[in-house]
Amino acid sequence: GIQVEQSPPDLILQEGANSTLRCNFSDSVNNLQWFHQNPWGQLINLFYIPSGTKQNGRLSATTVATERYSLLYISSSQTTDSGVYFCAVDVTTGTASKLTFGTGTRLQVTL
Amino acid sequence: DGGITQSPKYLFRKEGQNVTLSCEQNLNHDAMYWYRQDPGQGLRLIYYSQIVNDFQKGDIAEGYSVSREKKESFPLTVTSAQKNPTAFYLCASSNGRLVDSGNTIYFGEGSWLTVV
Repeated sequence: GIQVEQSPPDLILQEGANSTLRCNFSDSVNNLQWFHQNPWGQLINLFYIPSGTKQNGRLSATTVATERYSLLYISSSQTTDSGVYFCAVDVTTGTASKLTFGTGTRLQVTL
Repeated sequence: DGGITQSPKYLFRKEGQNVTLSCEQNLNHDAMYWYRQDPGQGLRLIYYSQIVNDFQKGDIAEGYSVSREKKESFPLTVTSAQKNPTAFYLCASSNGRLVDSGNTIYFGEGSWLTVV
């Protein structure tokens, strides 16, 4: 099956710093999504980004599908950004989508 | 409020027992999913359902069973055949394929299962 690798596995930032998270995938995909899991386990979709660049406030994401990677940028980090960031790729069958997740980047933002 | 409700939040199971995790959604979504998350790991797909009365195995279905008798409900049973069931379980739903514009996936708050 498809492999999804994320780096770095852990990241500690001081509040206000910027960071870049990377997601590499081993095969062509239909789409790619970024999620944030808060410390209580809730997963929230950040971006649906099969290709190109999107921005949402302090977050932006870029996917280069031909080179099989995606980047998530966090600018001016805040303590509320702490948690685990996952990328997931979509292998779609029928009317449902089978997401394959990476192992995540655990981010801790300190004061 | 619209969303996905999982229960119970915390569950303890004795070895050899079956337990059922509940997942209910009021988003009118056709597709529903169960994922398992182990500490420090990503999510792995257990089962998914595209429509009522239909479901398919995911990547780690052994030791689990599901049913989809109603559109809004997709319960997961962790059977005694699952040798290492201690994990965080997440239910999700989507309004169709995620490659289609405007569709997205929503997750419940999860259920922690511990074998004692």
